[in-house]
Amino acid sequence: AQSVSQHNHHVILSEAASLELGCNYSYGGTVNLFWYVQYPGQHLQLLLKYFSGDPLVKGIKGFEAEFIKSKFSFNLRKPSVQWSDTAEYFCAVNARGNNRLAFGKGNQVVVIP
Amino acid sequence: NAGVMQNPRHLVRRRGQEARLRCSPMKGHSHVYWYRQLPEEGLKFMVYLQKENIIDESGMPKERFSAEFPKEGPSILRIQQVVRGDSAAYFCASSPATGDTEAFFGQGTRLTVV
Repeated sequence: AQSVSQHNHHVILSEAASLELGCNYSYGGTVNLFWYVQYPGQHLQLLLKYFSGDPLVKGIKGFEAEFIKSKFSFNLRKPSVQWSDTAEYFCAVNARGNNRLAFGKGNQVVVIP
Repeated sequence: NAGVMQNPRHLVRRRGQEARLRCSPMKGHSHVYWYRQLPEEGLKFMVYLQKENIIDESGMPKERFSAEFPKEGPSILRIQQVVRGDSAAYFCASSPATGDTEAFFGQGTRLTVV
């Protein structure tokens, strides 16, 4: 079974600061990788996903993530955050061909204006 | 995605009562997944259903929990004789097919057992 680790559960930043959230997974086979965001009171929304191809993935709202296979990592980045990026961010993984997702515990990100 | 509808959004039950959580997938989606999020935890997979079939229930507690996805109507997650430890947010997701597709999530049902 897959497992996903996210560190630094609570992150507090000022606007315009850069954000990087780490995600490491453990699984020996081929995986699909996702970052979801949950704004306060809302449903989970997909930020970006990686299935294959270019390991640098660009998502919505200026986010990007890089898949480094040798490190089993899929870190999320944004060069300059805004107050509206305050949310909880979840990394998720599934085995290729199986839609059952394994989630990390999430990163609660607070951006201070 | 607003297309996956869950109701109710909030549900309060006394210990020993039954809780029924509903999920209507996005139009055209025939695959439904239920996840549970405990406080300070990530989402944990519970069950995967297609129309009228349970495909994978490896994440379901062995007792008191059941799920269905009938030919007509929403998917139902049923918890019998609820206990305080069942208090959590329950999320439903749907996808159009199996394989390498993304899942779309509903807003969740927050169950509180008092």
